[in-house]
Amino acid sequence: KQEVTQIPAALSVPEGENLVLNCSFTDSAIYNLQWFRQDPGKGLTSLLLIQSSQREQTSGRLNASLDKSSGRSTLYIAASQPGDSATYLCAVRPDGSGYALNFGKGTSLLVTP
Amino acid sequence: AAGVIQSPRHLIKEKRETATLKCYPIPRHDTVYWYQQGPGQDPQFLISFYEKMQSDKGSIPDRFSAQQFSDYHSELNMSSLELGDSALYFCATGEGSSIEAFFGQGTRLTVV
Repeated sequence: KQEVTQIPAALSVPEGENLVLNCSFTDSAIYNLQWFRQDPGKGLTSLLLIQSSQREQTSGRLNASLDKSSGRSTLYIAASQPGDSATYLCAVRPDGSGYALNFGKGTSLLVTP
Repeated sequence: AAGVIQSPRHLIKEKRETATLKCYPIPRHDTVYWYQQGPGQDPQFLISFYEKMQSDKGSIPDRFSAQQFSDYHSELNMSSLELGDSALYFCATGEGSSIEAFFGQGTRLTVV
């Protein structure tokens, strides 16, 4: 079974810092990897989707990379803002097995003014 | 832009009661996934449908059932509710069988 691990579990940074969230997965046979943002008690907002053939995707201040062979992805957030405070979830879609997402437990980010 | 609609947003039920959660996909989306997220937990896959047929099954209890209708909306039926069923229930929809997942805002079920 695919295991998805996110490090760190929690992170607190001052506003303006650049930061990196890490995601690792045990089975490299993935179709794609998706990063989500979740505010407390709210739904999941898709941030970035990286197909297995891609190395990275960028959206505004966010950049996600994928190293499929080593089972790793990183989410880079530039110039962090208090509004970035949320839980960030990494999810992988297996290749050839139903396509349901396997989620990590998330990184809880707090950006202080 | 239209998003995935889930109803109700909040639901309170007593133990042993039945609950029905609904999911309305984005237009042209024919795939639906249901997930359960317990307090402080990551979302766990329950069941999925593609073109009105069950396509995959995860950790869905036997007390739960689901279906996808001709208009592609889906319903998750939960019977004999237990306290441990209290969670956020998400549906995600997409176009085709291998796609980006778009999530609804979730239904928060509280069993008392």
